[in-house]
Amino acid sequence: KAGVTQTPRYLIKTRGQQVTLSCSPISGHRSVSWYQQTPGQGLQFLFEYFSETQRNKGNFPGRFSGRQFSNSRSEMNVSTLELGDSALYLCASSLAQGEAFFGQGTRLTVV
Amino acid sequence: DAKTTQPNSMESNEEEPVHLPCNHSTISGTDYIHWYRQLPSQGPEYVIHGLTSNVNNRMASLAIAEDRKSSTLILHRATLRDAAVYYCILRDRGAQKLVFGQGTRLTINP
Repeated sequence: KAGVTQTPRYLIKTRGQQVTLSCSPISGHRSVSWYQQTPGQGLQFLFEYFSETQRNKGNFPGRFSGRQFSNSRSEMNVSTLELGDSALYLCASSLAQGEAFFGQGTRLTVV
Repeated sequence: DAKTTQPNSMESNEEEPVHLPCNHSTISGTDYIHWYRQLPSQGPEYVIHGLTSNVNNRMASLAIAEDRKSSTLILHRATLRDAAVYYCILRDRGAQKLVFGQGTRLTINP
């Protein structure tokens, strides 16, 4: 079956702009989580959605937001981009209590 | 969030077994021990998980100490494709959130 698909794979944005990243989970998976990976901070949890509801949120500013649609696809949005938001953004999907399957990520560069 | 401690790096030779240690002295009764690995330029990949008993799957084995304060991921016969960063994670039953530490960077020598 198809894996977790993240689009776009690469993105370059300017400081102050906003960006939307998309994640299509594995068919049947209702939980979608987002992570940010940087060389300095490693992998950090952003938030998790289940059945269109945010169930858990990491320690990130309000500029980071997300949502999940009825087909379980999820988007995350970052507003007023800062240079420090440059990172690899990873999405993971899972069944209720199963292993997490990660996408290949979206590499965001803020200039 | 319960923390895990892993060595920053380890090195092994191809076709030899590899034992990756993890300490988790503050583990709670409902925490599962998960292992993920991240190959270069890829997202993390699930390896194995367990609660109390040792576990085996096609990728690896997980040995859990009797007091659950430590565990060891065992790759029985390392290949060059096993070179990755390995993360030991405690995950509460029913929770989806994964709290990643710095992991162990495993180098495999041919």
